[in-house]
Amino acid sequence: SYELTQPPSVSVSPRQTASITCSGDALRKQFAYWYQQKPGQAPMLVIYKDTERPSGIPERFSGSSSGTTVTFTISGVQAEDEADYYCQSADSTGTYLVFGGGTKLTVL
Amino acid sequence: QVQLQESGPTLAKPSETLSLTCTVSGVSINSYYWTWIRQPPGKGLEWIGYHYYSGNTNYNPSLKSRVTILVDTSKNQFSLTLSSVTAADTAVYYCARVEPDTYGIDVWGQGTTVTVSS
Repeated sequence: SYELTQPPSVSVSPRQTASITCSGDALRKQFAYWYQQKPGQAPMLVIYKDTERPSGIPERFSGSSSGTTVTFTISGVQAEDEADYYCQSADSTGTYLVFGGGTKLTVL
Repeated sequence: QVQLQESGPTLAKPSETLSLTCTVSGVSINSYYWTWIRQPPGKGLEWIGYHYYSGNTNYNPSLKSRVTILVDTSKNQFSLTLSSVTAADTAVYYCARVEPDTYGIDVWGQGTTVTVSS
């Protein structure tokens, strides 16, 4: 089976930078997507195709990619950014979709 | 504006079959791939399967023997059937749209909670 690996938790102080990594072999061939999920809500797309930001998503949210690792970054974290963040991609053939285990971002 | 809405029973008994429907508005269901995802209480997201052009489907290998995803183009809906449910199938079930070729999920339904209990 194909897996994506994320750290379970990340903590950051307000106005600092938070980075969340996601690793998996197929990320060499497939794009990564990032979702923000707040308690009781459906996930919301915040980064698509590794680095693109949907309209309405704050500019402080960004994504990058290098080899088998993609990174989601929030520059100047705000209290409202506290949430669970999930990466998502597919296996190399696109047969299976897969999610990372999720990272809980805590704003101290 | 594309919207997805899940519907179906919120309670199922062990060993029964769970059936959910997703109604799509704002876009033709023929134009994209469509998927189901679930999230057990306090846990992460789990991909269940997706339907793509011409009636083809791909399923999570861990659920493949119990899952069926069908599309009804006349109603612009797609459905999920999960057989022989147990308490482990208790979760919030989301329907969503998948971008062809890049396999990213760009639109989500609000989710529906299904509890498996006798």
